[in-house]
Amino acid sequence: KNQVEQSPQSLIILEGKNCTLQCNYTVSPFSNLRWYKQDTGRGPVSLTIMTFSENTKSNGRYTATLDADTKQSSLHITASQLSDSASYICVVSLRGSNSGYALNFGKGTSLLVTP
Amino acid sequence: DTGVSQNPRHKITKRGQNVTFRCDPISEHNRLYWYRQTLGQGPEFLTYFQNEAQLEKSRLLSDRFSAERPKGSFSTLEIQRTEQGDSAMYLCASSPRRNYRTGTGGYGYTFGSGTRLTVV
Repeated sequence: KNQVEQSPQSLIILEGKNCTLQCNYTVSPFSNLRWYKQDTGRGPVSLTIMTFSENTKSNGRYTATLDADTKQSSLHITASQLSDSASYICVVSLRGSNSGYALNFGKGTSLLVTP
Repeated sequence: DTGVSQNPRHKITKRGQNVTFRCDPISEHNRLYWYRQTLGQGPEFLTYFQNEAQLEKSRLLSDRFSAERPKGSFSTLEIQRTEQGDSAMYLCASSPRRNYRTGTGGYGYTFGSGTRLTVV
């Protein structure tokens, strides 16, 4: 069973609108949570990274929140642009491990921004 | 160049042929990871190097797959006798070492743009 669940699976919004993507996880012990943006046919690009002591982090129009108690995170996109169309992947890391298995990937939310 | 570089970007091959991909990590990163990603899925871990040592291999890495990092710099991933099920995006990532005892070192994983393999 995947330890990182993202919702919705896909989302279509109008340009200029805001949206919020969700990530729930069961990974424990928790080290950090990352949001990546992945354009079609490209590798993931990091948007934010938060440790357990951080509950919000912004990167331009992207704002991520983290509730380590409920093991939930959200990524809020403000004033969406056509270039925001991509897959957004939530990745949760195990604490105390540099292993390749330390990163737990969600399946991503596919966002389409339309004119 | 401050990013992770992967070559080629795209590879189309006939079933049964061998293919090799290359990854050049960020120069100061001593850790290098290979992942496979199929459509609509997140990346799946394949293997991991610390310097030149291959420390972990996923069960996904069948005996047709081999990876090397001969001098602890670039890495290659070879697939022998390719099958249609090997069609996927192959991603490389690198990261600096993090010392969990002292809390030093970065968390960052930087991914390359990937190599898209199509087996026909």
